Amino acid sequence: GESVGLHLPTLSVQEGDNSIINCAYSNSASDYFIWYKQESGKGPQFIIDIRSNMDKRQGQRVTVLLNKTVKHLSLQIAATQPGDSAVYFCAENMSGTASKLTFGTGTRLQVTL
Amino acid sequence: EAQVTQNPRYLITVTGKKLTVTCSQNMNHEYMSWYRQDPGLGLRQIYYSMNVEVTDKGDVPEGYKVSRKEKRNFPLILESPSPNQTSLYFCASSPATGLNQPQHFGDGTRLSIL
Repeated sequence: GESVGLHLPTLSVQEGDNSIINCAYSNSASDYFIWYKQESGKGPQFIIDIRSNMDKRQGQRVTVLLNKTVKHLSLQIAATQPGDSAVYFCAENMSGTASKLTFGTGTRLQVTL
Repeated sequence: EAQVTQNPRYLITVTGKKLTVTCSQNMNHEYMSWYRQDPGLGLRQIYYSMNVEVTDKGDVPEGYKVSRKEKRNFPLILESPSPNQTSLYFCASSPATGLNQPQHFGDGTRLSIL
């Protein structure tokens, strides 16, 4: 899937620094949000999710922040590593819509040494 | 190993020649879905299935068919493929419908329709 990334915004981060990837979602009724990581030639891989009754959730080296007021979602990656290089997508879902996800167009993260 | 398996991974074919992309999951998931991924457009849902014998259209269903005769399998059928269906396709599954559960994706099928 390299061609998928041709038109994506790109974030370049030096190895060891923290990364922040942002996402604006569209539906104010959405109440479940997911971040996916997609490496070249692979399908999206689940990273972390958050429900609308929370504004922050932490995983291993990753934190998701949710600001419902401005419909904004961010993914923070601590101590970014070369293996974090990938395209990152946010996805939103509205309860009762049969797990239908609406995806953002993605951000490419490039980790430089 | 828990996974979603798609076949083939790559296919080049010609306009009008029927093709099927298979999808199988070994996690006993009720929900399965097909997406296509195009540059600048992200992932768009084609069809989804909430359980056996239950399928529904997603955002871009035109030109596609699906079936869900068994829980584990959810094939995507292109009866008469056209060049605008050249894309990268992903199958996904999740444990339940109506509940907040992340979807698990296969590694994709790249279709080129000449």
